[in-house]
Amino acid sequence: KNEVEQSPQNLTAQEGEFITINCSYSVGISALHWLQQHPGGGIVSLFMLSSGKKKHGRLIATINIQEKHSSLHITASHPRDSAVYICAVQDHQFYFGTGTSLTVIP
Amino acid sequence: NAGVTQTPKFRVLKTGQSMTLLCAQDMNHEYMYWYRQDPGMGLRLIHYSVGEGTTAKGEVPDGYNVSRLKKQNFLLGLESAAPSQTSVYFCASSRGEQYFGPGTRLTVT
Repeated sequence: KNEVEQSPQNLTAQEGEFITINCSYSVGISALHWLQQHPGGGIVSLFMLSSGKKKHGRLIATINIQEKHSSLHITASHPRDSAVYICAVQDHQFYFGTGTSLTVIP
Repeated sequence: NAGVTQTPKFRVLKTGQSMTLLCAQDMNHEYMYWYRQDPGMGLRLIHYSVGEGTTAKGEVPDGYNVSRLKKQNFLLGLESAAPSQTSVYFCASSRGEQYFGPGTRLTVT
């Protein structure tokens, strides 16, 4: 049983393109997290949100609690954005999606 | 600040051997977590702690034990390692958003 589903699994984009990664979940949550994992393996937190929308630089995250859906957008994508993006939901525990592998080509 | 550190970074064990992974954080966070990451499965929560002296089971706790004797440290123990425990182990701490350690790559032969 997968509490968190992400799409697409893999994504290749040209530099400058607008990118959207989707996350759907099936459990009640207190928060949703977007994480970034670089090829070297390190994981960093990008966003934690429980409603609405957040923006950090070229990254935007939105969540629709009623539809149990979140999106991560990257505007003006750059090769350095190439990484695995992971959606995680939090109730008493954390449940993670399997990640979206993004490659941005110069 | 060092953030979250993990030791060791790599380890190879034989089936049946035991070991302890150490996670340390210097951000005074109450919450700490141990995860394993396997190809195609995403991160899975093994155990977590909501404060010094407390621990709780996550999604995949079997074969692991943990202790949180000091607020800054969270130890993950494998009493009798099995090949199924070959994985990359991540520790994290949080006060809201999570801060992850660099990971420990464990191979059990």
